[in-house]
Parts: sequence; structure tokens; C-alpha cells
Amino acid sequence: NAGVTQTPKFRVLKTGQSMTLLCAQDMNHEYMYWYRQDPGMGLRLIHYSVGEGTTAKGEVPDGYNVSRLKKQNFLLGLESAAPSQTSVYFCASSDPGQCQFFGPGTRLTVL
Amino acid sequence: DQQVKQNSPSLSVQEGRISILNCDYTNSMFDYFLWYKKYPAEGPTFLISISSIKDKNEDGRFTVFLNKSAKHLSLHIVPSQPGDSAVYFCAASGAETSGSRLTFGEGTQLTVNP
Repeated sequence: NAGVTQTPKFRVLKTGQSMTLLCAQDMNHEYMYWYRQDPGMGLRLIHYSVGEGTTAKGEVPDGYNVSRLKKQNFLLGLESAAPSQTSVYFCASSDPGQCQFFGPGTRLTVL
Repeated sequence: DQQVKQNSPSLSVQEGRISILNCDYTNSMFDYFLWYKKYPAEGPTFLISISSIKDKNEDGRFTVFLNKSAKHLSLHIVPSQPGDSAVYFCAASGAETSGSRLTFGEGTQLTVNP
């Protein structure tokens, strides 16, 4: 089992560009999450999904969109990247009431 | 409003001694608490958890203590090993929380010196 995988691992964008981060899990988990980690701020929830075709806002959703068209995939989109979105992004998955499993992260720099 | 706080950004201990990492929370609706460990360039990995119906949970060298009245939990690692050097995140969730959402603390960098 690969667990939770994220692509790409690194990306540099210019302000205003768009991109999509892909998260895939092979554990048949119902729930999936996108977090960002910034120095001194821990992990903050951007969006999450409790099932295929459903998404919900987390703590810091502005500037991001998500889609969960397939149970195993959770996409995070940035329509117009801003320097404030420079961060490390982590995807996670879990079953209801169970601990979350995290991917290795995507380091994004917006110039 | 930081609902989960880890007031110590860093902690340094000698190999073989005890490491104690602390976490405070403000939301009385939290009823499940977890500790995650994170190495550089990797995602966090689950370490140990505790439900609010308990005040202690032990797993090998790791023990988590929960003091509900003080809204405080701590992670004890004994004996500490150099491989324990990592960032430790405290996290919390509530029964009413949709999607088993977690609220994380800022993290504490633990360094275990040989």
C-alpha cells in the first residue's frame, strides 16, 4: 500500500498563476483533508471531504477550491496564486472517528 | 483564536532522560486528543491518542496524560532516544465536529542529544 501520495512534491509559481495539487489514497478512507503548514502556526485545515462528491470549508479556505470526484482522490486548486499561499501543503485521509494518515507534503513557493 | 496551544517551540533533552511535551486547549467540547510526530520533509505520523474518558494512555515508551479540569495534556517519552528528535504536534477533536476534523497546536521541536 502506498498510503497517501501527493503530487507534485515541489512547485514554484508566479503570482496570478493557477495550479492543482493532487492527493490520492489507497486505504478506501471516507474522509480526506487538505492542510497548510506555516512556521509557528501548526497545521491549519483548508478544506475537507466526508465522502465522494462532497466538500466543506475548513479554517482557512479563502483562495482555494477543492473537488472529490472519486473516493480515492482529493484535488486542491489555486485559481490565482498569491505570495501568502507560499506554504507546505499536506493531504490526509481517515475513516470516521479514526486517526488521520498524512501524505509527504507539497512545498509551494509563490513569487 | 488558538484553541490548541503548545507554548514551548523547542525542547532539548539528553538521551535516556524523560521528555515531557505539553499542550493546552480552550474548547471544552474537545473529547479526543492525539499526538503526531513529524520528521523534516515528511508528513506527520500518528503517535498516540487519548479519549476524554481516560486520564492516561500508554504505548511503550510513550504515555499521554490528560487533565480535563486544567484543559491540559502532556506527552511523556521515556527513555528518550536520538531517533525521537522531531516536531511533535498536539491535536484535538470533538464529538460534534463534522468530518472528524482536527485542530492542531503549533508544534514543539524535540531534540534528543546523544
